[in-house]
Amino acid sequence: AQKITQTQPGMFVQEKEAVTLDCTYDTSDPSYGLFWYKQPSSGEMIFLIYQGSYDQQNATEGRYSLNFQKARKSANLVISASQLGDSAMYFCAMRGDITGGGNKLTFGTGTQLKVEL
Amino acid sequence: ETGVTQSPTHLIKTRGQQVTLRCSSQSGHNTVSWYQQALGQGPQFIFQYYREEENGRGNFPPRFSGLQFPNYSSELNVNALELDDSALYLCVSSQEGYTQYFGPGTRLTVL
Repeated sequence: AQKITQTQPGMFVQEKEAVTLDCTYDTSDPSYGLFWYKQPSSGEMIFLIYQGSYDQQNATEGRYSLNFQKARKSANLVISASQLGDSAMYFCAMRGDITGGGNKLTFGTGTQLKVEL
Repeated sequence: ETGVTQSPTHLIKTRGQQVTLRCSSQSGHNTVSWYQQALGQGPQFIFQYYREEENGRGNFPPRFSGLQFPNYSSELNVNALELDDSALYLCVSSQEGYTQYFGPGTRLTVL
């Protein structure tokens, strides 16, 4: 069974500062993928960044980077230079082995980020 | 814009009724998954269809059922609605690979 743990229900950050959202995971699959999604109050799920379990480098996408520590089973999201528009719920998710068309995502409980002036 | 659409956007039903939610995926996406997201929670996997066959199911009772059609559309049916079924229902489509495309969701309220 796969499990995602997000221990920060809410976070506050000042505009233009960096913030780290924590995510730890548990799985017995040798191959897996880790995702971060942003969900504004409108409800749409916006893909931010992806890290494969065999990727050697930490993933980066613009202001988003993923601090992947495989031995610790952690996949923290770092947002640099926070903007007011970053205020939203953030979900960490994991997908296991995709052979046979398997695509199930297991989500954490989310972290509500509030960016302040 | 993910190219995945869901209808209706909002829906209000009463306990005991039946509901059908619809999703239209991108052409060529042979996998569709449905998730239930209760207020303040992360999405929970309901089931997945791959080439019109169910090939994975989460911890949901049989009154949750689905269909996937050859034209890349799909349905989620829920019978005998309960108050706890009130949630945002998300459709996710993908081709074989990593990118998953979320629809905007259908917000279901059961009174």
